[in-house]
Amino acid sequence: KNEVEQSPQNLTAQEGEFITINCSYSVGISALHWLQQHPGGGIVSLFMLSSGKKKHGRLIATINIQEKHSSLHITASHPRDSAVYICAVAGYYGGSQGNLIFGKGTKLSVKP
Amino acid sequence: DTAVSQTPKYLVTQMGNDKSIKCEQNLGHDTMYWYKQDSKKFLKIMFSYNNKELIINETVPNRFSPKSPDKAHLNLHINSLELGDSAVYFCASSWGGLRGAPLKETQYFGPGTRLLVL
Repeated sequence: KNEVEQSPQNLTAQEGEFITINCSYSVGISALHWLQQHPGGGIVSLFMLSSGKKKHGRLIATINIQEKHSSLHITASHPRDSAVYICAVAGYYGGSQGNLIFGKGTKLSVKP
Repeated sequence: DTAVSQTPKYLVTQMGNDKSIKCEQNLGHDTMYWYKQDSKKFLKIMFSYNNKELIINETVPNRFSPKSPDKAHLNLHINSLELGDSAVYFCASSWGGLRGAPLKETQYFGPGTRLLVL
C-alpha cells in the first residue's frame, strides 16, 4: 500500500461542475502539498498546507491532520483545469529531512 | 525570467552512454532536488542538496551522481545509461531543506528533461 493514496485516479467532469479530489496518507507529516501537472508536463505547486484550509481563486484545499486526509476542491470547473493533480506529503522524520512522498495523481478532464 | 530551468529538455541516447542534465534556479533558494517521473507518471525523490551539501540520497543506483557547484545549480550525471533510466527528470528548488528539518516550503519545479534510452 502506498503511503499516499489519491482518489479518484481519473475524473471526467462537465464544465461548471464542482470537483473534489481526495488524498489520504499514512505517515506523520510536516506539510501536505497539492501540485498540478499540465498536459505539457510542467508541474506547478498549488498549495502547501499544514492545517486548516487555503483558498486561491476557484481552488480550495483542506486538511484534517487527525484523520490524515486532505481534499482539493475546484469550483465552477473549466476545461483549462484539465490536468493531473498530485498530492505530496512532506514526511516528518527524526534523523533526516522530510522529503516529499507523492501520490499517483488524479487525472482530471473537464469537458465543455 | 525562468525561475528553475533545465537543459536539455529532450535527450535521446544509446544504452551505455554517459549523459548530464543541468539545472539552475534564480530564486535564491538554498535547497535543490532531483525527481524522477516514470512511465506511469509516478514522481519519486532522487536527491536533494542544501547549500551544496547532499541531504537526501534515496535508493538510486550509483550510476547517478549529482553535483552542486553552487547553491544555484544542481546537475545530474548518469553513467552507463540503461533502458530503465528512460523517464522524465524534474529539478526543483525551495527554501529550508536542512537535515533534520521538516520540509514546509513550497517547491518550484523546472520544466523537466525527457530522457529516452534506446
